[in-house]
Amino acid sequence: QKEVEQNSGPLSVPEGAIASLNCTYSDRGSQSFFWYRQYSGKSPELIMSIYSNGDKEDGRFTAQLNKASQYVSLLIRDSQPSDSATYLCASPSGGGADGLTFGKGTHLIIQP
Amino acid sequence: DADVTQTPRNRITKTGKRIMLECSQTKGHDRMYWYRQDPGLGLRLIYYSFDVKDINKGEISDGYSVSRQAQAKFSLSLESAIPNQTALYFCATSDLESYNEQFFGPGTRLTVL
Repeated sequence: QKEVEQNSGPLSVPEGAIASLNCTYSDRGSQSFFWYRQYSGKSPELIMSIYSNGDKEDGRFTAQLNKASQYVSLLIRDSQPSDSATYLCASPSGGGADGLTFGKGTHLIIQP
Repeated sequence: DADVTQTPRNRITKTGKRIMLECSQTKGHDRMYWYRQDPGLGLRLIYYSFDVKDINKGEISDGYSVSRQAQAKFSLSLESAIPNQTALYFCATSDLESYNEQFFGPGTRLTVL
């Protein structure tokens, strides 16, 4: 059974600072990872995907994948109060298109 | 209009009742999924479907069944609801190539008394 682990938080970050969210995974064969953002009472929304070692940047968001250490991170630069949400890390459950295994999510609070 | 819709949005029912949750999508995606979300447990996969002829069990399929009536419709049934099925249920879709980039519906909050 694949596992994706996240610290549930809450993680509190001052506005304008960098928020760093981390995720570790158990299956060394996992190839791709996804970060979803979920506002309270809303559905998850895909914000980043990463398929290879290294960094991937998209606007204020940077995803980092380190396969040797089996961790994935999401950096949010210039954090805004609107970034306050739960961030879910996910990885494919199996070898094909058979759904995602999600971490339990990290609750991020950006303090104005 | 929303690309993935779910009905009902909220439902309160009693133990032993049969319940159906419905999901429709206008994204033209082949793949559809049902997840449940519980506080402290995260999102867990119940069932998934690659097309109308292909249904697969997920991590927690016991007590649930599904029907893929058309490419755009995927229903989840609880044949005899029990209180520990109280949860937030999400339908999701993905396309053939980017199948792990999933799009979620707004969710159905189900309470079983």
